[in-house]
Amino acid sequence: SQTIHQWPATLVQPVGSPLSLECTVEGTSNPNLYWYRQAAGRGLQLLFYSVGIGQISSEVPQNLSASRPQDRQFILSSKKLLLSDSGFYLCAWSAADNPNAGELFFGEGSRLTVL
Amino acid sequence: AQTVTQSQPEMSVQEAETVTLSCTYDTSENNYYLFWYKQPPSRQMILVIRQEAYKQQNATENRFSVNFQKAAKSFSLKISDSQLGDTAMYFCAFMNPGNQFYFGTGTSLTVIP
Repeated sequence: SQTIHQWPATLVQPVGSPLSLECTVEGTSNPNLYWYRQAAGRGLQLLFYSVGIGQISSEVPQNLSASRPQDRQFILSSKKLLLSDSGFYLCAWSAADNPNAGELFFGEGSRLTVL
Repeated sequence: AQTVTQSQPEMSVQEAETVTLSCTYDTSENNYYLFWYKQPPSRQMILVIRQEAYKQQNATENRFSVNFQKAAKSFSLKISDSQLGDTAMYFCAFMNPGNQFYFGTGTSLTVIP
């Protein structure tokens, strides 16, 4: 069965420090991968979307970047965190080989607090 | 990007009663999917129900059903016989043909015993 792992679960970082959140998917190949940010009252905001290794689409220009160095690995990064980067980050995947399935599977989330 | 609007930030319902959560969306696409996701206090997102836009029949999953009005771009969720475990944040979501998912701002539902 497919699983998705996301870490760290909780992170407290000072303003200006770097960030790296990692997400891996097991049990499937060539998944579509997503990074979302959930802020209070704003729902889930799509940050990045990837259909394959090295292929990243950015939905919102911002202080963050994403990379996909391997088929089932998706990394969210920042060189210098801002206070506004605080939030709950969710990694997710969907099946690329069966687009009609349409379901999105989420990781456990990472709570980032920038001080 | 497509937009998804949930106009009810908070709702409550008595246990065993029925509640309807509203969702509207905006798109120029003809083929797409719509979803309702549930996020309980554990924060793990769970799929509640899915609707393919090309299907006229409304999807149902046990106590959960939708009212899909394609022309009006409306996709409401009805929860029947509400249970305490239904207390959660509910998100309406849209998937375009490019497999990009867009979410509404959520409705916080509280089931009152």
